[in-house]
Amino acid sequence: DGGITQSPKYLFRKEGQNVTLSCEQNLNHDAMYWYRQDPGQGLRLIYYSQIVNDFQKGDIAEGYSVSREKKESFPLTVTSAQKNPTAFYLCASRPPGGRRTGELFFGEGSRLTVL
Amino acid sequence: GNSVTQMEGPVTLSEEAFLTINCTYTATGYPSLFWYVQYPGEGLQLLLKATKADDKGSNKGFEATYRKETTSFHLEKGSVQVSDSAVYFCALSDQDAGNMLTFGGGTRLMVKP
Repeated sequence: DGGITQSPKYLFRKEGQNVTLSCEQNLNHDAMYWYRQDPGQGLRLIYYSQIVNDFQKGDIAEGYSVSREKKESFPLTVTSAQKNPTAFYLCASRPPGGRRTGELFFGEGSRLTVL
Repeated sequence: GNSVTQMEGPVTLSEEAFLTINCTYTATGYPSLFWYVQYPGEGLQLLLKATKADDKGSNKGFEATYRKETTSFHLEKGSVQVSDSAVYFCALSDQDAGNMLTFGGGTRLMVKP
């Protein structure tokens, strides 16, 4: 079945460590996104990529990094520079029709907890 | 800039009650409007959408009408079920903003049997 797979689902990290969250899609979508969700808040855009080997910062990119070496993959690294990394992270991709409407498909999320 | 405002939750209803979750927006252009649903521990799923004024989106018994005059996109369902318990997000995308999605803060719905 086509979809977006995020891993791991749960991750614990000590302060000062970098961690990488995986996002893989087999939907053949060009555009991919990373959002951060905090309790009781909406989603905030971290980074997005419209095409392979290209990506742009979103509203809260500080302390995060991404790469887009393959169309299917858009990993997010949460670096030690991110001051409040504990959150739920959501990866999304946009279908071709979504270029006009903005519609996105989401993965099931990764919950990162910093100890 | 663009923004979406939703009623704060949680909204607690009994099964078979009528549901309304209010959503209003501010946009510079002519946005498309969406409702996404997030079940516990999961990502977001598109529930319904409307791409122009007076359009009605509907799915799984939920409806929302794009009201340009009141800049609103309220979500309604005539008879909720326990399985509808989730967080609901209103969102818009605007061509003038590169079709990036802007989300509201989410409204948690709890349905009791």
